[in-house]
Amino acid sequence: DQQVKQNSPSLSVQEGRISILNCDYTNSMFDYFLWYKKYPAEGPTFLISISSIKDKNEDGRFTVFLNKSAKHLSLHIVPSQPGDSAVYFCAADPNTGFQKLVFGTGTRLLVSP
Amino acid sequence: SQTIHQWPATLVQPVGSPLSLECTVEGTSNPNLYWYRQAAGRGLQLLFYSVGIGQISSEVPQNLSASRPQDRQFILSSKKLLLSDSGFYLCTWSNSGPYYEQYFGPGTRLTVT
Repeated sequence: DQQVKQNSPSLSVQEGRISILNCDYTNSMFDYFLWYKKYPAEGPTFLISISSIKDKNEDGRFTVFLNKSAKHLSLHIVPSQPGDSAVYFCAADPNTGFQKLVFGTGTRLLVSP
Repeated sequence: SQTIHQWPATLVQPVGSPLSLECTVEGTSNPNLYWYRQAAGRGLQLLFYSVGIGQISSEVPQNLSASRPQDRQFILSSKKLLLSDSGFYLCTWSNSGPYYEQYFGPGTRLTVT
């Protein structure tokens, strides 16, 4: 069963516009959420996180929103840049104390000039 | 600063051969260590995690095993590889405790032929 879902496998956006990547989860025990960015043939790099006690966290051009009632989180990138083109994974921590992250399948973002 | 190393970067092995992938972390002590696998077209799947030397927890029954002989060394092994073991293997580390992000190594691309 897919506890963390990224239903859009790909997204294309023009440079300068907003990119919105979505993630849904089913396990109400998840209490910490993370976004990672991955380039081909490299390990993912951490972008931004949010705990369940917040509904928004911002870091520069990246903002993550959490809607607990809908079990939905989103990553906003404003403005989008060509260097943002990568695969983005959302991940959730089920609060076991061991950070056993559950990852979505990823969304490939393409930002065109 | 902390650094995580993985080797080899790529590996092609025949079915039935053994496997040993190594991961080491620098610049931190007593980290939590994790092995993930990304199969083609799939998300990241947690395979093993370790909270200390000699302490290994397995998440998915499979043909693989893990060991942690030293504080900052994590090894993924198999006695006999299967075709289904092909994938991109990623080692991560994090600080102990909740609400810490995990940092990924560069990964090993394993192809079993």
